[in-house]
Amino acid sequence: SQQGEEDPQALSIQEGENATMNCSYKTSINNLQWYRQNSGRGLVHLILIRSNEREKHSGRLRVTLDTSKKSSSLLITASRAADTASYFCATVGEFGNEKLTFGTGTRLTIIP
Amino acid sequence: DTEVTQTPKHLVMGMTNKKSLKCEQHMGHRAMYWYKQKAKKPPELMFVYSYEKLSINESVPSRFSPECPNSSLLNLHLHALQPEDSALYLCASSRRDRQETQYFGPGTRLLVL
Repeated sequence: SQQGEEDPQALSIQEGENATMNCSYKTSINNLQWYRQNSGRGLVHLILIRSNEREKHSGRLRVTLDTSKKSSSLLITASRAADTASYFCATVGEFGNEKLTFGTGTRLTIIP
Repeated sequence: DTEVTQTPKHLVMGMTNKKSLKCEQHMGHRAMYWYKQKAKKPPELMFVYSYEKLSINESVPSRFSPECPNSSLLNLHLHALQPEDSALYLCASSRRDRQETQYFGPGTRLLVL
């Protein structure tokens, strides 16, 4: 299985601080995606980064990818209470594997 | 319209009941998915439909039966479920290439008594 492991499992920070979550995976990928899930709801896509990319930005989000270390990080800058959610990385295998395989997730809590 | 809708939002059923979950998207996506998610766990893929044909079945028990009547609709028929099947069932779709971004519905929270 190339399910990712996310670190930390849970993170609590003060509003306005930056939050960093890490994801490691096991096998070569085509792309890696980050999703957010508010409590008991559906997932929302945040960013997709391809295996030949090293960094992507979207608003307050910054994602890095290090394929040599099989790892990715998600940085949320200037956090807000509305950022409280679970964050999952998900990978698509290198050879057109149809599955989107999710990591274990990080539960982020922003303290107002 | 970038929305995936799912009905019902909540479902309680007995182990002898037959029920169906429904998923709909009008984004012209040609790949649709069912996931199962237990509390505090990541989603687990159950089925993938590509161009209305079942392309992946992740060894799901036959008490779960998927159906794709057309390119916009995806159903999951439930029969003789077990209490351990209680979970959040998520539907998702993606444009064409299954490696692309997936758009998720809000889910159906299922409780099997």
